[in-house]
Amino acid sequence: DTAVSQTPKYLVTQMGNDKSIKCEQNLGHDTMYWYKQDSKKFLKIMFSYNNKELIINETVPNRFSPKSPDKAHLNLHINSLELGDSAVYFCASSLVAYNEQFFGPGTRLTVL
Amino acid sequence: ILNVEQSPQSLHVQEGDSTNFTCSFPSSNFYALHWYRWETAKSPEALFVMTLNGDEKKKGRISATLNTKEGYSYLYIKGSQPEDSATYLCAPGGGADGLTFGKGTHLIIQP
Repeated sequence: DTAVSQTPKYLVTQMGNDKSIKCEQNLGHDTMYWYKQDSKKFLKIMFSYNNKELIINETVPNRFSPKSPDKAHLNLHINSLELGDSAVYFCASSLVAYNEQFFGPGTRLTVL
Repeated sequence: ILNVEQSPQSLHVQEGDSTNFTCSFPSSNFYALHWYRWETAKSPEALFVMTLNGDEKKKGRISATLNTKEGYSYLYIKGSQPEDSATYLCAPGGGADGLTFGKGTHLIIQP
């Protein structure tokens, strides 16, 4: 069973489109995260979500919005996609905020 | 955003040799220090979460130490094997606002 899953694995889209990446964890964890791996392979936190509290990295454009329909899901919505949004996006979860994090397989987004 | 430094950036080690690398982070407002192992084309996997000054954790041939007063952690690999080849990330944080990852140490074990 996959602990943290993301769909799709690859996403190719045109500039200006709106897209979503789904993330699900079956670990019963309380906290979920989105990270972006930039062009230099550097992992940067975008959001964390815990018990309906959303913490946002201030550098993330407001075109990005996480949505959590329930505790097991934290989906990432991106509006008006730009070329610079091309990256690999990783979802992660942890039992509570300070525990080890379990990462999904990543979604490679390419904006043309 | 925390300033996290890892050194060296990359490291070539002969199979069977032992090695270590460093993570430096701000010592103020310390919460926890995470180490992750990230193989190419895979996802990061947690190795250790350390919270107490002087903590030492071990998993097989890999161990880590933590000095929160001076803001550093060492990761040690004993008797390196080819399967140890990966990027090793450290990340202080782990509170509600997630982890701040260093750029990693890229380790290559040469047979």
